[in-house]
Amino acid sequence: DAGVIQSPRHEVTEMGQEVTLRCKPISGHDYLFWYRQTMMRGLELLIYFNNNVPIDDSGMPEDRFSAKMPNASFSTLKIQPSEPRDSAVYFCATQATALAGFSYNEQFFGPGTRLTVL
Amino acid sequence: GIQVEQSPPDLILQEGANSTLRCNFSDSVNNLQWFHQNPWGQLINLFYIPSGTKQNGRLSATTVATERYSLLYISSSQTTDSGVYFCAVREAGNMLTFGGGTRLMVKP
Repeated sequence: DAGVIQSPRHEVTEMGQEVTLRCKPISGHDYLFWYRQTMMRGLELLIYFNNNVPIDDSGMPEDRFSAKMPNASFSTLKIQPSEPRDSAVYFCATQATALAGFSYNEQFFGPGTRLTVL
Repeated sequence: GIQVEQSPPDLILQEGANSTLRCNFSDSVNNLQWFHQNPWGQLINLFYIPSGTKQNGRLSATTVATERYSLLYISSSQTTDSGVYFCAVREAGNMLTFGGGTRLMVKP
């Protein structure tokens, strides 16, 4: 398996622009998480999905952030409009439940998207 | 929410030295993972260890869940071990809470 795939790997945009980050989970994993990493706040969970349904979005900083998972193979995190304080590395991670027959309860991270908002 | 503290925050080693990293957590957990974030920023799974002891090459980890701590041992350190080591725990549900990390530099 190719692991968790994220795109783009780097994104530089100007304040006010819309940004869309993408994630393809490990096949068969039914949980998907979006995290943000900054120097000031470390790694923090933004939102997570189970079977494509958002379960907890309490970490989403504000209404400018939205996330979707239209199917089991794809998720997006959108920021509109973007601001300089959104600059961070955004990670997607996935996990399988015991029934899936994988190494369950263990989260696997993608390579991240480094976002810079000027 | 649960608090996760890692120590030391920074560590400098000479190549070949051994080290122990510690992770303390404030409540019972049902999942604990150790990650290595390499200099390129990638988070690499080291151990899934909610309890007990595991070994993988020069690395090993022990979690004593009843006493709410976990230890990561690195033996015969190499320059490629440099980076940040994170401990992450889950007390309920599926959300991981990360510690602040231990930044390790191994000098040749």
